[in-house]
Amino acid sequence: DARVTQTPRHKVTEMGQEVTMRCQPILGHNTVFWYRQTMMQGLELLAYFRNRAPLDDSGMPKDRFSAEMPDATLATLKIQPSEPRDSAVYFCASGFFVGPEKNTEAFFGQGTRLTVV
Amino acid sequence: DQQVKQNSPSLSVQEGRISILNCDYTNSMFDYFLWYKKYPAEGPTFLISISSIKDKNEDGRFTVFLNKSAKHLSLHIVPSQPGDSAVYFCAASAGSPTLIQGAQKLVFGQGTRLTINP
Repeated sequence: DARVTQTPRHKVTEMGQEVTMRCQPILGHNTVFWYRQTMMQGLELLAYFRNRAPLDDSGMPKDRFSAEMPDATLATLKIQPSEPRDSAVYFCASGFFVGPEKNTEAFFGQGTRLTVV
Repeated sequence: DQQVKQNSPSLSVQEGRISILNCDYTNSMFDYFLWYKKYPAEGPTFLISISSIKDKNEDGRFTVFLNKSAKHLSLHIVPSQPGDSAVYFCAASAGSPTLIQGAQKLVFGQGTRLTINP
């Protein structure tokens, strides 16, 4: 039963601390997305990778957020330093995207609920 | 710059009737569209998709319609069931499969909360 796995499911941290969220995409998928769910923006795209190469991270605050994919089985999203406004649910998703007739859908993990106090 | 817009934050429908969720987009390069359903405390799950070469795709109770000239898509659920109560997101992607900036990224709308009343 292939699924996207995110850890931790919940994280409470103090302002100024570093937060690392992890994602294990589905094996064989060539694209990994990081989203943040907010009330106003819905699912906001932060960054995404194709074949482990970062394609677009324009949705992230560059000074504090970083996304990496050190190998095909792990994607990370790091916030340093964290701020209360970063409190949200962060989702990772993976899929196989090669063209509109051959794409799979993006499969989502269960998310990491981050609370920065 | 919200490229995918769901202008109705919420929708309430009676059980057994048709639910119609709407989505508008601004980027004419979008060529692949999807609908997702999301329950609280879970990740979004895929419902149905459509590519830009089609104007309709049907899967059981779910039908997606695409109007490219109006840059509009809609999801029809008929008949609506209580288990359909959830937040529904539409999403779109664009571009060639080559490795270029911005290609094939998946952009979501703000979501519509659907409530099916017994």
